[in-house]
Amino acid sequence: GENVEQHPSTLSVQEGDSAVIKCTYSDSASNYFPWYKQELGKGPQLIIDIRSNVGEKKDQRIAVTLNKTAKHFSLHITETQPEDSAVYFCAASFKIRSGYALNFGKGTSLLVTP
Amino acid sequence: ETGVTQSPTHLIKTRGQQVTLRCSSQSGHNTVSWYQQALGQGPQFIFQYYREEENGRGNFPPRFSGLQFPNYSSELNVNALELDDSALYLCASSLGGGADTQYFGPGTRLTVL
Repeated sequence: GENVEQHPSTLSVQEGDSAVIKCTYSDSASNYFPWYKQELGKGPQLIIDIRSNVGEKKDQRIAVTLNKTAKHFSLHITETQPEDSAVYFCAASFKIRSGYALNFGKGTSLLVTP
Repeated sequence: ETGVTQSPTHLIKTRGQQVTLRCSSQSGHNTVSWYQQALGQGPQFIFQYYREEENGRGNFPPRFSGLQFPNYSSELNVNALELDDSALYLCASSLGGGADTQYFGPGTRLTVL
């Protein structure tokens, strides 16, 4: 698989503010872009995903946008809460023999302060 | 519906030893992928098993090997352990046959001394 770049590496916001995390990818064949939230000592939890035939998707306070031409996608969290504090990973799919695997970014550590 | 489970939770080994990690896929899922997550990094794809065969492999040496059983559970084996193998090993299951959504287990924390 090819690279996925993720920024910023750390993000600190006040409760109630919005948080935005951005990713770029290099594999033009990627067509599936999930976002995972990982809390300390736990495995990554899928929070939202988007496919290449869609430009935006929203689920309550979380939204993801995708620009396939520019090869970048973003996670937007509105009205942040302290329980949103975690490490967030973006990923992009790449094709393997009879399925797909994921290339991950290096993660963004989000801290929401009350 | 049961989620992805992994065992053991933690493991400590010494350099040169061998280790086996286990994963049970989510109910109804026939595909298991393994990832290595070094401290402070994103997960890196090791390999995927689909219908009991290796379906793709990342940039990992042959001393990383795996198995998938008829009930879709899977094992990751690492021979000749090196200090750099210390990491969180994650298993993810998916529906397979082209489905791409992967659900992760809690991971096994391996420490190599």
